[in-house]
Amino acid sequence: AAGVIQSPRHLIKEKRETATLKCYPIPRHDTVYWYQQGPGQDPQFLISFYEKMQSDKGSIPDRFSAQQFSDYHSELNMSSLELGDSALYFCASSLGLQDYAYNEQFFGPGTRLTVL
Amino acid sequence: AQKITQTQPGMFVQEKEAVTLDCTYDTSDPSYGLFWYKQPSSGEMIFLIYQGSYDQQNATEGRYSLNFQKARKSANLVISASQLGDSAMYFCAMREASANAGGTSYGKLTFGQGTILTVHP
Repeated sequence: AAGVIQSPRHLIKEKRETATLKCYPIPRHDTVYWYQQGPGQDPQFLISFYEKMQSDKGSIPDRFSAQQFSDYHSELNMSSLELGDSALYFCASSLGLQDYAYNEQFFGPGTRLTVL
Repeated sequence: AQKITQTQPGMFVQEKEAVTLDCTYDTSDPSYGLFWYKQPSSGEMIFLIYQGSYDQQNATEGRYSLNFQKARKSANLVISASQLGDSAMYFCAMREASANAGGTSYGKLTFGQGTILTVHP
């Protein structure tokens, strides 16, 4: 079965550079979530999109922006990178359902960003 | 305030024995879901098991079972017959109902701090 695809898997950038992370959700999934996991920490929610519209926003820095495109893939754009941005960035996708009871989020393998 | 609490930073278990990883949560929402994920050293997040707040029975998935005590707001993960490959970080997560006027849910996950499980041969 198709899974969530993230690219690149690894990225090394210098301070003050920009980075773009891409996420391709599972086919027919209409909701995408971005999470940031710092070293030794739990994943923190950044932002989510439902049907190409921002649906929720967490602790995402103003230097970051994201969008979901017509084919449902999503991109996380990060500018003026700082050392503290070094983390594992996960994308997850799910299918928005009327019945809240079970709506699993399928995680991608993550993009490991290192800022030097 | 921390919504998901995992009080065990690390746990050790002998191979083939059972182990319980603790998770307590805090929510005023009557409709919520509780998830457990496994994160090996390679980094990927692997879904293990889910429990809905309205589910009458504890969830089970193979060697994984969830001891859901709603009144105590706890959702402990029980791994039976531990294997060496179970050594990993384990996260408990909660999703609260997040619906728009149309009723569609797309709630984010809130994670606990994680528990590192080490299985000894």
